[in-house]
Amino acid sequence: GAVVSQHPSWVICKSGTSVKIECRSLDFQATTMFWYRQFPKQSLMLMATSNEGSKATYEQGVEKDKFLINHASLTLSTLTVTSAHPEDSSFYICSARGGPGELFFGEGSRLTVL
Amino acid sequence: AQKITQTQPGMFVQEKEAVTLDCTYDTSDPSYGLFWYKQPSSGEMIFLIYQGSYDQQNATEGRYSLNFQKARKSANLVISASQLGDSAMYFCAMRYYGQNFVFGPGTRLSVLP
Repeated sequence: GAVVSQHPSWVICKSGTSVKIECRSLDFQATTMFWYRQFPKQSLMLMATSNEGSKATYEQGVEKDKFLINHASLTLSTLTVTSAHPEDSSFYICSARGGPGELFFGEGSRLTVL
Repeated sequence: AQKITQTQPGMFVQEKEAVTLDCTYDTSDPSYGLFWYKQPSSGEMIFLIYQGSYDQQNATEGRYSLNFQKARKSANLVISASQLGDSAMYFCAMRYYGQNFVFGPGTRLSVLP
C-alpha cells in the first residue's frame, strides 16, 4: 500500500534555530500534501495545504513566515520551522492525497525546542 | 510492522441510528494506544476517543464508544444516535513506543436524514 514517510521522527533544537521536516510519498505521486500540528486533547490542527509547484495555502492563524512549506516535487513536501521557540514544540504530521478519497498519513515528527 | 486496517471505505447510516466503524490493527508491541479521529470537510483532525492497550474497560466519550477486543486486535468505533453533523471521514490510528503514529485509510461516514 501507499506509504508516506516523515523525517526526522524526532528532533531537538535550540531556540532561534530553524528545523526542516520532510514528508515523502514513497510509492505514489502526491500533488497535494497537508501539514498538521497536534494540540492538547490530541486533536490535529490543519496548518496548511501544500500544492506541488505552487504556494501553500495556509489556514487562518498560521504564520506563513514562521512555517515555510515547500512542495518542490510530486513526492516531497517540506515544512521548515524558522527561528523556533519553545512554544513551537509539538508533534507535526503530514498527509498526502493519493487517489480519490485516499489520504495517507506520515508517522509524525516530534519537535522539541530548548 | 505496525499496520491499521479499516475495511469500510464508505458507510451510510440513518439519522438517530447507531453505526459501527471497523478498525483492526497489527502490532507486536505490548504497549500501544488506539485513537479515533474525525475529519470534517474543514480538514482538521478532531480527536474522538482513546483506548490504551492495558485499559481493562472499553473507552466511552459521550455518543462515542470503542469496542476494544485485544485478542482479535480490533478497536471498532460505535457512534450512537447518529447526527447529520457526524458525516465526515473517520480515521483509526495507533501510537506505539517511540510516539509515532500509524493511521488507517479512513472510512467516509454519511448520515442520511
